[in-house]
Amino acid sequence: IAGITQAPTSQILAAGRRMTLRCTQDMRHNAMYWYRQDLGLGLRLIHYSNTAGTTGKGEVPDGYSVSRANTDDFPLTLASAVPSQTSVYFCASRGVAGEAFFGQGTRLTVV
Amino acid sequence: KNQVEQSPQSLIILEGKNCTLQCNYTVSPFSNLRWYKQDTGRGPVSLTIMTFSENTKSNGRYTATLDADTKQSSLHITASQLSDSASYICVLETSYDKVIFGPGTSLSVIP
Repeated sequence: IAGITQAPTSQILAAGRRMTLRCTQDMRHNAMYWYRQDLGLGLRLIHYSNTAGTTGKGEVPDGYSVSRANTDDFPLTLASAVPSQTSVYFCASRGVAGEAFFGQGTRLTVV
Repeated sequence: KNQVEQSPQSLIILEGKNCTLQCNYTVSPFSNLRWYKQDTGRGPVSLTIMTFSENTKSNGRYTATLDADTKQSSLHITASQLSDSASYICVLETSYDKVIFGPGTSLSVIP
């Protein structure tokens, strides 16, 4: 089934640990995004990539890094997790028509 | 001040009733305004899309309107069903890599 796949679906992580959230799409979309969603704040952009090989910072990039080695994959890394990074993380891609397609989310708890 | 605001923050209605969700924005210009539906535990899914020059767009029981003069959009849901219980997010697309999400309205439809 075409779409966006995120892994893991949920994770409990000790503070200070490194964690990579995986995101893969099979729609050949150039643009990909990572958002975090917190209650009352809506979706906030962490990092984005307009095409393979390029990345950019969003609204809340601190503590996160991304890479875009190819069109399909867009992993998000937390180098040293902190409790404020507890959130639900969504990966999305956009095609030329503009509609964003979202993954099912990763629920991350940093303790 | 947030660029996209939504009201009410949450809403409870009886099954079969109609409701209207509001979106006020300050973003200008923009290319598209979308409404997304986000079921609990899932990623958002696009419901409607309107360009800057459109006034209304329907998708089944969902009808979105846009008033560019007052910078308001509304999403009207007719004959609500239990499956309409979700968060509804207003989204403005200003350019290919600039997407601004509203905080969402949480709708609960009860029997």
